[in-house]
Amino acid sequence: DAGITQSPRHKVTETGTPVTLRCHQTENHRYMYWYRQDPGHGLRLIHYSYGVKDTDKGEVSDGYSVSRSKTEDFLLTLESATSSQTSVYFCAMKVGNTIYFGEGSWLTVV
Amino acid sequence: DQQVKQNSPSLSVQEGRISILNCDYTNSMFDYFLWYKKYPAEGPTFLISISSIKDKNEDGRFTVFLNKSAKHLSLHIVPSQPGDSAVYFCAATALTRLNAGGTSYGKLTFGQGTILTVHP
Repeated sequence: DAGITQSPRHKVTETGTPVTLRCHQTENHRYMYWYRQDPGHGLRLIHYSYGVKDTDKGEVSDGYSVSRSKTEDFLLTLESATSSQTSVYFCAMKVGNTIYFGEGSWLTVV
Repeated sequence: DQQVKQNSPSLSVQEGRISILNCDYTNSMFDYFLWYKKYPAEGPTFLISISSIKDKNEDGRFTVFLNKSAKHLSLHIVPSQPGDSAVYFCAATALTRLNAGGTSYGKLTFGQGTILTVHP
């Protein structure tokens, strides 16, 4: 158990609505990440954080924002959801030299 | 530009035989490599890793080989079991830059994944 949880696990939302996914860790690790997984692409980095209020963009950051006001929580927000953001979202944290992933959040934008 | 590639979308193996999953990379800055296994509806699970200062790392049935000159790594599973059936992702990062105060931040670049099916 990597000590990382995501919520919600499943969500269906309408195009144009805002959506926030939450990632919570219990182990006070500094580095956290949000990835999305799509067929044929593996996992792609959306945003990452290297400390409280320290975040930066990954390779597929357009349409997403993040916030980290506390060490334990890393939030991913879709400001105005689009159908192209239908995906599985994985939060992760760095422990030593290894990245551990949460269980995933399945998001469908209709 | 795909910096990490898994050119085999799928692999089918008989139980008890060896499974060999391959991965190629192009970025010379990558110096730490990881393999993850993923079951449907679950998050990726870390399997094994290797640093570029080594050419082999072994953990039970899993062995990872790294050929730096060819920018190629492979994961060997011996013997393969039906429970090994999953999607396998290789990932790479520039770890040295992170530990030396660089800007890698441990970000992983993933391959597309290989679906392994082990038949009883």
